[in-house]
Amino acid sequence: NAGVTQTPKFRVLKTGQSMTLLCAQDMNHEYMYWYRQDPGMGLRLIHYSVGEGTTAKGEVPDGYNVSRLKKQNFLLGLESAAPSQTSVYFCASSYRLAQYFGPGTRLTVL
Amino acid sequence: AQKITQTQPGMFVQEKEAVTLDCTYDTSDQSYGLFWYKQPSSGEMIFLIYQGSYDEQNATEGRYSLNFQKARKSANLVISASQLGDSAMYFCAMREGLGNQFYFGTGTSLTVIP
Repeated sequence: NAGVTQTPKFRVLKTGQSMTLLCAQDMNHEYMYWYRQDPGMGLRLIHYSVGEGTTAKGEVPDGYNVSRLKKQNFLLGLESAAPSQTSVYFCASSYRLAQYFGPGTRLTVL
Repeated sequence: AQKITQTQPGMFVQEKEAVTLDCTYDTSDQSYGLFWYKQPSSGEMIFLIYQGSYDEQNATEGRYSLNFQKARKSANLVISASQLGDSAMYFCAMREGLGNQFYFGTGTSLTVIP
């Protein structure tokens, strides 16, 4: 039982490049989330999904897109990366109560 | 206004002593949930404890307990008998009603001193 996994663990991009972060969960959770964590700011919600085929904006959605084509996967896309998107990205899934987090992806945009 | 406020950027505690990490929240909902997470230096987020707004008793999970004071809108985490492995960042979070969003505080860095 892997829980929540994230791919890749680390990535360095140049400004303007695009990339997709993959989140997968094997707990059959309906809800999935993408957060970014920056020093001194805690976790901020980017986008979330309440089920397959549905997505919604969170607190800081600009510059990101998401897709939930399958219940177990939640993709986060950066179409044109900017240095301000340098951060640690966490995916989480939940059922009713607590969220369960993936190990995080450290992204650096040069 | 901030939904979750953690006013202690850093805390120190002697090994085997108890420590309280503060958390206050802001909501007008009657139904909500409060959570604490631990983030060690390795980076993963670990769920520790949950308190529902209608729960009459304070939540406990092993050495963790949540001091829930509804009227004061506080949900402090108490760690008893601190261990060196408790050194980490601790985040308080809230989920309002049946909402899908979780709101996190900025965290408290706890250092346990041998």
